[in-house]
Amino acid sequence: AQTVTQSQPEMSVQEAETVTLSCTYDTSESDYYLFWYKQPPSRQMILVIRQEAYKQQNATENRFSVNFQKAAKSFSLKISDSQLGDAAMYFCAYRALNTGNQFYFGTGTSLTVIP
Amino acid sequence: GAVVSQHPSRVICKSGTSVKIECRSLDFQATTMFWYRQFPKKSLMLMATSNEGSKATYEQGVEKDKFLINHASLTLSTLTVTSAHPEDSSFYICSAPLHSGLAGRVDTQYFGPGTRLTVL
Repeated sequence: AQTVTQSQPEMSVQEAETVTLSCTYDTSESDYYLFWYKQPPSRQMILVIRQEAYKQQNATENRFSVNFQKAAKSFSLKISDSQLGDAAMYFCAYRALNTGNQFYFGTGTSLTVIP
Repeated sequence: GAVVSQHPSRVICKSGTSVKIECRSLDFQATTMFWYRQFPKKSLMLMATSNEGSKATYEQGVEKDKFLINHASLTLSTLTVTSAHPEDSSFYICSAPLHSGLAGRVDTQYFGPGTRLTVL
């Protein structure tokens, strides 16, 4: 079974600074997707960034980037120039390409941005 | 981007009654939708996969007779919590994938805003 682990229940960062959220996963699949989702207090899940396992290049979306280490099964999220609006729960998620559309979520990291 | 709606956003009911939650993909069709349950400050737990035109697939430990799922059309899935009890109180979230790219390989999961169920 696939498992996704986020070892940091809570993180904080000073506004305008950089923070990295960790995620590891366990799978026997070779082709899959990895995601970071953000859940603000409104509880609406918002896609932050997506990485396809077959791509060696790390995904980047504006201030958000990932460090994807396939051999180590690690998928960390870096938030640069943190803003107050980045404060939220962040969930790492995994989806295997060939076994349906189910997402497996990590336990989440609560990010606080300090003004 | 694509939009998924849920109705109602919150519901309070008495123990023993049934509650129906709707999940709609507003601007795209979804042959599959997913239902999650989320406890306070916890992760999303997949309950079941809703399949248009066929039976839902339930995750281990989820009572299919208690959580009835009907995928009535390509844009609507419903979750009915039957004979609700206080322990069923939770935040329920649905999602639907939108496929794009070559052979639909790339998909993005869009989430509804969630439904807070409180059973008294």
